[in-house]
Amino acid sequence: QKEVEQDPGPLSVPEGAIVSLNCTYSNSAFQYFMWYRQYSRKGPELLMYTYSSGNKEDGRFTAQVDKSSKYISLFIRDSQPSDSATYLCAMSAENAGNNRKLIWGLGTSLAVNP
Amino acid sequence: DTGVSQNPRHKITKRGQNVTFRCDPISEHNRLYWYRQTLGQGPEFLTYFQNEAQLEKSRLLSDRFSAERPKGSFSTLEIQRTEQGDSAMYLCASSPRTPQETQYFGPGTRLLVL
Repeated sequence: QKEVEQDPGPLSVPEGAIVSLNCTYSNSAFQYFMWYRQYSRKGPELLMYTYSSGNKEDGRFTAQVDKSSKYISLFIRDSQPSDSATYLCAMSAENAGNNRKLIWGLGTSLAVNP
Repeated sequence: DTGVSQNPRHKITKRGQNVTFRCDPISEHNRLYWYRQTLGQGPEFLTYFQNEAQLEKSRLLSDRFSAERPKGSFSTLEIQRTEQGDSAMYLCASSPRTPQETQYFGPGTRLLVL
């Protein structure tokens, strides 16, 4: 079993839809949870960062963490064609030497159709 | 532009040749990470520096791979005697002292080994 599971999709939605992206994980030591957006042939771009459980909102994006269920979500409201990209969840724990290496999901490919 | 930069952006080489990639992190960031990403996968951790000290190297990394960060600023990743299986996107990320969990990625170097 992979430490982080993420449905690769693809996910196709009409413009303006609410998008829900999810990851599950198995390592209870994870405390830091990130969502990255990656356009084709580009590096990942940090979207949201959450520590421990709870919600965080930034504009059209909301990140949720449920540590009891080992489940994290990213919601995108009023989705736009420019949101079309691959969304990767990543998480880390406190490791020796303050190494916060990220453990990643496979990424979910999202297409928002005009 | 004060983001993470990587050079070259693309590299095509023949099997058996050596290649070297460079990463320039965000200037005030003391942590630097190298990851490798293949198509349809999330990035895979390779190695981690805190200032000039290399504190962790993935067990998946063969002896053909070496990384340096001589003055705690830029870093180089060298692959000796390249193999076709080394073809991938090589990503560099840096993180600040706080919050140290947030990693900012460069555009990556895409390597193709023929």
